[in-house]
Amino acid sequence: SQQGEEDPQALSIQEGENATMNCSYKTSINNLQWYRQNSGRGLVHLILIRSNEREKHSGRLRVTLDTSKKSSSLLITASRAADTASYFCATDAGGATNKLIFGTGTLLAVQP
Amino acid sequence: DADVTQTPRNRITKTGKRIMLECSQTKGHDRMYWYRQDPGLGLRLIYYSFDVKDINKGEISDGYSVSRQAQAKFSLSLESAIPNQTALYFCATSAFRGTDTQYFGPGTRLTVL
Repeated sequence: SQQGEEDPQALSIQEGENATMNCSYKTSINNLQWYRQNSGRGLVHLILIRSNEREKHSGRLRVTLDTSKKSSSLLITASRAADTASYFCATDAGGATNKLIFGTGTLLAVQP
Repeated sequence: DADVTQTPRNRITKTGKRIMLECSQTKGHDRMYWYRQDPGLGLRLIYYSFDVKDINKGEISDGYSVSRQAQAKFSLSLESAIPNQTALYFCATSAFRGTDTQYFGPGTRLTVL
């Protein structure tokens, strides 16, 4: 079964607005990662947050992690039409395997 | 040049045919992965390999096999394709140590009629 579940499944906003996506997971993790996928293309890594971190920034991206609630959020500020894509969270339980369990994704549409 | 390449990019085949999807990487990573993506289900792990002699089943390995011909090459085979294997297939790599990030190829869209 999927480790991560994203909410909402789809989100439509206007350019310039902020977009927030949430991810919930089920078991303990070593880190949580966010990936972006443009339609029909490969996933691109955006940001990684480790289990001992609570917040991380990268450009217009802000990720938070609440291990007590087993949840994470991705905030994209001042969105652009080029941000239109699907966004996936992926959890890494750690250990030697480096296996990622992906959520079902949030489809973000940014209207110009 | 892309760091992770997949061939073919698109393939249409018939039920019962044997299909091989190939993945090559120039990142020098030890670990390689094959995922399948279906609409609404995210990515699911089919097989993964830590090095040439280490192959492991993932979440949904039934109906698939793999071969790690070299550090840089990891192939996925469908011995006898069936329609519910129609999906988007991705190869990914990661370093043995380091940031734990995975790097994805562009994907192969497979349609089984």
